[in-house]
Amino acid sequence: QQPVQSPQAVILREGEDAVINCSSSKALYSVHWYRQKHGEAPVFLMILLKGGEQKGHEKISASFNEKKQQSSLYLTASQLSYSGTYFCGTDYYGGSQGNLIFGKGTKLSVKP
Amino acid sequence: NAGVTQTPKFQVLKTGQSMTLQCAQDMNHNSMYWYRQDPGMGLRLIYYSASEGTTDKGEVPNGYNVSRLNKREFSLRLESAAPSQTSVYFCASSEGQYSNQPQHFGDGTRLSIL
Repeated sequence: QQPVQSPQAVILREGEDAVINCSSSKALYSVHWYRQKHGEAPVFLMILLKGGEQKGHEKISASFNEKKQQSSLYLTASQLSYSGTYFCGTDYYGGSQGNLIFGKGTKLSVKP
Repeated sequence: NAGVTQTPKFQVLKTGQSMTLQCAQDMNHNSMYWYRQDPGMGLRLIYYSASEGTTDKGEVPNGYNVSRLNKREFSLRLESAAPSQTSVYFCASSEGQYSNQPQHFGDGTRLSIL
């Protein structure tokens, strides 16, 4: 079952913060986050595993709330290079061999 | 430092024609995947290979076949192309078969079927 990402799109000014959510109706084993720039391949950002750990990558971090079956991606002090579409990919308990189901994506535009 | 290499990058086919999309990885990964990406749909899994010698269907396998030729190479074949298969196709690989490993994507093949 496809996870739901929100918002669908967001426009920021440089230096502003954003939060992207990824929600599931089923229990999650792991959540992946990827960023894709227009016309390019998705690029891996981070993985969060069950247990609610928070991870960080430069000024981008993420959390995983097992009880809410939700992950959130935090982008702080955004830069022009953060523009792109962000996808979460989810694996559910009992999911076969690590396959991910991706959300429809959140388009982030950072303006000068 | 090639990572995942896909060929061709672009292709135009006529309805009913067949073709094979090639994918090779040089990271010694065990698992490989084929996705299609359509506007507003995200990435949908077509087929995957958890390890050399095995392949399995994903979410949208109809109209496609795959071959895991060896550990490095995983090809996707369209036997009789249909306009509904117009899409961007991505190949990906990961070290292991479980989702605690990141997936590395190729640059994609943009396929148009007329």
